[in-house]
Amino acid sequence: SHVLTQPPSVSVAPGQTATITCGANDIGSKSVHWYRQKSGQAPVVVISYDRGRPSGIPERYSGSNSGGAATLTITRVEAGDEADYYCQVWDNDSDHVIFGGGTKLTVL
Amino acid sequence: EVQLVQSGAEVKKSGDSVKISCQTSGFAFTNHYIAWVRQMPGKGLEWMGVIFLGDSETTYSPSFQGLVTISADKSLNTAYLHWNTVRATDTAIYFCARVAYSSTFFDYWGQGTLLTVSS
Repeated sequence: SHVLTQPPSVSVAPGQTATITCGANDIGSKSVHWYRQKSGQAPVVVISYDRGRPSGIPERYSGSNSGGAATLTITRVEAGDEADYYCQVWDNDSDHVIFGGGTKLTVL
Repeated sequence: EVQLVQSGAEVKKSGDSVKISCQTSGFAFTNHYIAWVRQMPGKGLEWMGVIFLGDSETTYSPSFQGLVTISADKSLNTAYLHWNTVRATDTAIYFCARVAYSSTFFDYWGQGTLLTVSS
C-alpha cells in the first residue's frame, strides 16, 4: 500500500508563499486531496483531485501533482492559514484510504 | 444543508463496550459512503473504514479490522462505530466524514467525538 510522506512542519512569514509536499511512489497516477485542520476543529477539504478548489476556499490555495510529488501551495499567507494540512488518496487497488502524516504550517 | 452531528464525549474503562454515532441530514443517505477517522492525541488522521449507506457494505483498514464494527441505520440516517472491548490505546477523537458523491474525498465532516478510556 502507499505511504504518503509530508514534511512535519513548514514555517513562513505573512505574505509569503507556503509549499507543502506529499510524496509517494507513483503518486502522479493518483488523485490527491488536501485538508486543513485548525486547532480543535474537524478537517476541511481545501483541494480535491490534485487541483480542484471547493467553493469557499480562497484562490490563494492551489494544488498540483507531477514530478513525483503532490504539492499544496498557499500564496500570500495569512495568520488564519496556520493549521495542520493533510494529503489523502484513495487506493483503488486495495479500496483503502490513506492519509499523509500531516504538516504543521506555522505563520511567523 | 448537509450536516453530520456526532454523539457526545464518552468516558469508559478498559474492557467496556462503546458505540458512537453520526447522525446525518440534508442529503440522500443511501447514495453515499460514510468513513470513520481516528485522531489520537497530538497525532495525525487515520482512516478506520467506510460504509456504503445504501447496502451497509463495509471496508476496513487492516489496522482496525476485527477491532471495531461500522454499521448504519437507514431509518435514522445514522452511522455508528462500535467497540466490543475498548482499551486505553483507543483514547482519541473519532470523526465521521461523508465521501463526496461518486468521489474519493471527504466533503463534510462531523464535529468529532472524544473517547477517553482509562485503565
